[in-house]
Amino acid sequence: GAVVSQHPSWVICKSGTSVKIECRSLDFQATTMFWYRQFPKQSLMLMATSNEGSKATYEQGVEKDKFLINHASLTLSTLTVTSAHPEDSSFYICSASSSQQARYYEQYFGPGTRLTVT
Amino acid sequence: DQQVKQNSPSLSVQEGRISILNCDYTNSMFDYFLWYKKYPAEGPTFLISISSIKDKNEDGRFTVFLNKSAKHLSLHIVPSQPGDSAVYFCAASAGGAQKLVFGQGTRLTINP
Repeated sequence: GAVVSQHPSWVICKSGTSVKIECRSLDFQATTMFWYRQFPKQSLMLMATSNEGSKATYEQGVEKDKFLINHASLTLSTLTVTSAHPEDSSFYICSASSSQQARYYEQYFGPGTRLTVT
Repeated sequence: DQQVKQNSPSLSVQEGRISILNCDYTNSMFDYFLWYKKYPAEGPTFLISISSIKDKNEDGRFTVFLNKSAKHLSLHIVPSQPGDSAVYFCAASAGGAQKLVFGQGTRLTINP
């Protein structure tokens, strides 16, 4: 149980274009989804937290107009990187948790999406 | 400000021996701690967790110890197996919040 998928697993896009990454919880209802970014050999940096049906809460320093997050259903959240630049190239990982779980603070992670902006 | 620190970027252990991964934290509000394992190009996988009301939690080969006075936790893996080679992250949360703060990770290599 507690499977989270991400699509695509990798994407290459040109500078100035937008890219959408999907995160799905396959076997549970994710009341909360999180988006992380990981630079090489560094920790996971939380970008934003989204609760189903409400606006995402962004961490300090993360541009909400650049990284658009939508959590329209209990099984799907999307991250759209708008007007991508080479510095946005990174490994993006989503995670999901459910308030219906006894241990709701445990997050289940997707496999990640490698974004390369050329 | 790095609230969760894993000061050893890498650790090499002989197969069959004990692996000990360490993690320190600075925020006294943290009351729940988790360990995740991560393979390259994959998302982290939950391993084991511990609440601040406990000082030890065991699950098979994995044991997590928490020393609140020292703000230190450790993950023990015994016996270590080649499949344990991965990057291990410790993470912490505060006050029932779902937001996790991660350490930098420790790359564990198990040598046959």
